[in-house]
Amino acid sequence: EVQLVESGGGLIQPGGSLRLSCAASGFTFSSYSMNWVRQAPGKGLEWVSYISRSSSTIYYADSVKGRFTISRDNAKNSLYLQMNSLRDEDTAVYYCARDEGAIVPGDLITPWGQGTLVTVSS
Amino acid sequence: QSALTQPASVSGSPGQSITISCTGTSSDVGGYNYVSWYQQHPGKAPKLMIYEVTKRPSGVPDRFSGSKSGNTASLTISGLQAEDEADYYCSSYTSSNTVVFGGGTKLTVL
Repeated sequence: EVQLVESGGGLIQPGGSLRLSCAASGFTFSSYSMNWVRQAPGKGLEWVSYISRSSSTIYYADSVKGRFTISRDNAKNSLYLQMNSLRDEDTAVYYCARDEGAIVPGDLITPWGQGTLVTVSS
Repeated sequence: QSALTQPASVSGSPGQSITISCTGTSSDVGGYNYVSWYQQHPGKAPKLMIYEVTKRPSGVPDRFSGSKSGNTASLTISGLQAEDEADYYCSSYTSSNTVVFGGGTKLTVL
């Protein structure tokens, strides 16, 4: 069974840093691109970042560019999101999601993990 | 990148058909056949229902169908069932090599 399990969320003060992790199992992790997508409380989905299978291609949403860094360790079947200079508006559930598309980011995002909540507040 | 435009809510009775629209620009929806639709039940992770405008992943009922005309994509659910009540989001690849989602549509089955 394909599983994606996020961890690392929590309460952090504005300006702080946090590192999210996503543990993948049930599939050959190195064969798939991955995404982070977030959802603020009571709000819609917002795409955050994409990383290709070999980490050679990385994209970010303008809202996080320069502050967030996506990475992966194929040997550990893990995806990461390093979040720096956190702002109130970064408060959200962060989902790790597999991208089955082979050509462009976001073509075929499935499945999704259950998410980890990040709360930025003083 | 502005969010794609979806109606805030739609409703229908069991057995009826409904359509949810998703309007973007020539830089996203209109420029590429990389439109997807996701279903999200309260407290749950999103689930892919349609990809590449019209394709259904295995396991998704054929009551769900997608289409596109110009800068507007649409999701149609026929034979509405109670379990279809959920939030629905469209997404599209963009010319900036990013992904943009719609604001979401709450479907109520009356």
